[in-house]
Amino acid sequence: SQQGEEDPQALSIQEGENATMNCSYKTSINNLQWYRQNSGRGLVHLILIRSNEREKHSGRLRVTLDTSKKSSSLLITASRAADTASYFCAPLNGGGTSYGKLTFGQGTILTVHP
Amino acid sequence: NAGVTQTPKFQVLKTGQSMTLQCAQDMNHNSMYWYRQDPGMGLRLIYYSASEGTTDKGEVPNGYNVSRLNKREFSLRLESAAPSQTSVYFCASSVAGGYNEQFFGPGTRLTVL
Repeated sequence: SQQGEEDPQALSIQEGENATMNCSYKTSINNLQWYRQNSGRGLVHLILIRSNEREKHSGRLRVTLDTSKKSSSLLITASRAADTASYFCAPLNGGGTSYGKLTFGQGTILTVHP
Repeated sequence: NAGVTQTPKFQVLKTGQSMTLQCAQDMNHNSMYWYRQDPGMGLRLIYYSASEGTTDKGEVPNGYNVSRLNKREFSLRLESAAPSQTSVYFCASSVAGGYNEQFFGPGTRLTVL
């Protein structure tokens, strides 16, 4: 399995602004997943994007994947104070001993000010 | 559906004591996982169970044992707790491996004195 590296480590914005977080990884993937963690809570799955997909939307979330650059980005549009959380990407290799084993980076801490 | 439940929510142990963290899911998922989360370290996989009857080591298995009791339940045991095992422990489940999203429990906050 491989670890995604999120960038930036911390992001502070005003309500209504867009927030963009990036993720880089090292080897080829089967899929890449994004999760959110509110303070003191478990992780919540946001989006799964497969290696043959380039873009995916879910409500105010937009995820892109560039397999040639081994990178992904998560865009949150029109952010709200409730979006304040840590965001993690988790790339997944395909098959072999990596099967089923997601590895999480340190995440991006997003703070949205009212 | 309760999703993934974990007990206890909080626990304080003394060095050398043992305890078992319990996890159960009611989504009929095949795969289950145990992670620990430490400040500045992200989540690290301790053990996972791809399906009932199988368990495999993750990134940081030393000091832990697991039991996949049945399809619903996956427990994590600390035989002789150490201060380095102070952490927040999360259980997760998925339909089948990492090809699907994982659903996380609320976590157990463990302190070892």
